[in-house]
Amino acid sequence: AQSVAQPEDQVNVAEGNPLTVKCTYSVSGNPYLFWYVQYPNRGLQFLLKYITGDNLVKGSYGFEAEFNKSQTSFHLKKPSALVSDSALYFCAVRDIIINKFYFGSGTKLNVKP
Amino acid sequence: GAGVSQSPRYKVAKRGQDVALRCDPISGHVSLFWYQQALGQGPEFLTYFQNEAQLDKSGLPSDRFFAERPEGSVSTLKIQRTQQEDSAVYLCASSLRGPDRAQTEAFFGQGTRLTVV
Repeated sequence: AQSVAQPEDQVNVAEGNPLTVKCTYSVSGNPYLFWYVQYPNRGLQFLLKYITGDNLVKGSYGFEAEFNKSQTSFHLKKPSALVSDSALYFCAVRDIIINKFYFGSGTKLNVKP
Repeated sequence: GAGVSQSPRYKVAKRGQDVALRCDPISGHVSLFWYQQALGQGPEFLTYFQNEAQLDKSGLPSDRFFAERPEGSVSTLKIQRTQQEDSAVYLCASSLRGPDRAQTEAFFGQGTRLTVV
């Protein structure tokens, strides 16, 4: 079965500093990986995806993610954090055979001024 | 519409009451998903439609949960005889194509927060 793990419940970073939110995956076959962000009382908002191609994918709001096949990781990154980036971030993998998304448990990002 | 729309946004139900949650997906989207999100947790899969066909309902927690999408667009998630453990946010998502074109991401609605008292 497909799964993703987000080892950190919470990440704290100062505004202007780089941020990384970690995600590792376990899949059979080629991975289809996604990052979503959730603000309070809101649904999940798509940030970026990796299907194939370059290992570094760029997404919305200056976020990017690096696919690393050997480490089975798909970490979310941003060079310079903003206070407004504070939210809950979810990594997900899509099983294309049965068309399900599997989500991690989420990482709360706190960006302090 | 411009995005996935869910209604109501908030629902308070007395234990034992039946509820119906509505999802309007993005026009033309083939796939529709329902997810349940408990407080502080990631979304958990409930069920999936491709057009009007319910292809997977393995995540529905009990036979009190029922979902339909009769015309391949709007979907309704119904919960009968609600229990306190049903309290959660119910998220609906849609995507453009079926599993053979997995490049497309899913777009989520804002969710319905169900509180059973």
